Amino acid sequence: EAGVAQSPRYKIIEKRQSVAFWCNPISGHATLYWYQQILGQGPKLLIQFQNNGVVDDSQLPKDRFSAERLKGVDSTLKIQPAKLEDSAVYLCASSLRQTHSYNEQFFGPGTRLTVL
Amino acid sequence: SQKIEQNSEALNIQEGKTATLTCNYTNYSPAYLQWYRQDPGRGPVFLLLIRENEKEKRKERLKVTFDTTLKQSLFHITASQPADSATYLCALDGGGGFKTIFGAGTRLFVKA
Repeated sequence: EAGVAQSPRYKIIEKRQSVAFWCNPISGHATLYWYQQILGQGPKLLIQFQNNGVVDDSQLPKDRFSAERLKGVDSTLKIQPAKLEDSAVYLCASSLRQTHSYNEQFFGPGTRLTVL
Repeated sequence: SQKIEQNSEALNIQEGKTATLTCNYTNYSPAYLQWYRQDPGRGPVFLLLIRENEKEKRKERLKVTFDTTLKQSLFHITASQPADSATYLCALDGGGGFKTIFGAGTRLFVKA
C-alpha cells in the first residue's frame, strides 16, 4: 500500500512570499490532517478534513493560511504571505477515521519550509 | 488550556535495558492515548493506542500504561536496541472528531 505523499520536500522562500504544499493521502482514507511542527515541538493540528468538509480549523491562522481538499482526495495548504515564524515542517496525515471512532494516523514525510 | 508534558531531556540507556518514557497531561479527558515514533527528517509512525477504559496494552517489546486518575501514561521498551533510538511522541485524542494533541516528544538514545 502506498503511503501518504507530499511535495515538495523542501522549500526556501523570502518573507511575504507565497508558498503551497500538496498532499496525496492513502487511497480510501476519509480523513486528512495538516500539522505544523516547529523544531523541538510536537505536531500542531492546523486543519482536519473529513472527506471534503472541514472538521476542525480552529488553529489555522486564517489571515494567511488556507487549505482545500479537492473532491475529498488530494489537498493543498497555502501560506500567503509567509512570515519568519512559519518556518517549520508541514506534515500531512490521513486515516480511515469516521466520527465517533478512532483509526491510526499515517503521516507523510513532511515539507520543510524555511522563511528568510 | 490542554497541556501535555513529556520529558524534555533526552533519555540515554544501555542496550538491553528497559526504557521508560512518561507522558503527563492536564485539562483534558482523552478517549484515547497514542504513542508515535519519529525519526529525524521523517513523519511520525504510529506505535500503540490505548483507550480510556484500558490500563495496559502490549505489542512485542512495547508496553503502554494509562492512568486516567493520575493523568499519566508510561511507555516502556524492553530489551532496548540501538535501532530504538528516536523521538517518541505522546498524543491525546478526545474521540468523536476532537482534534489530536501531541506532546513535544522525548528523545531516546540507546547505546550499544
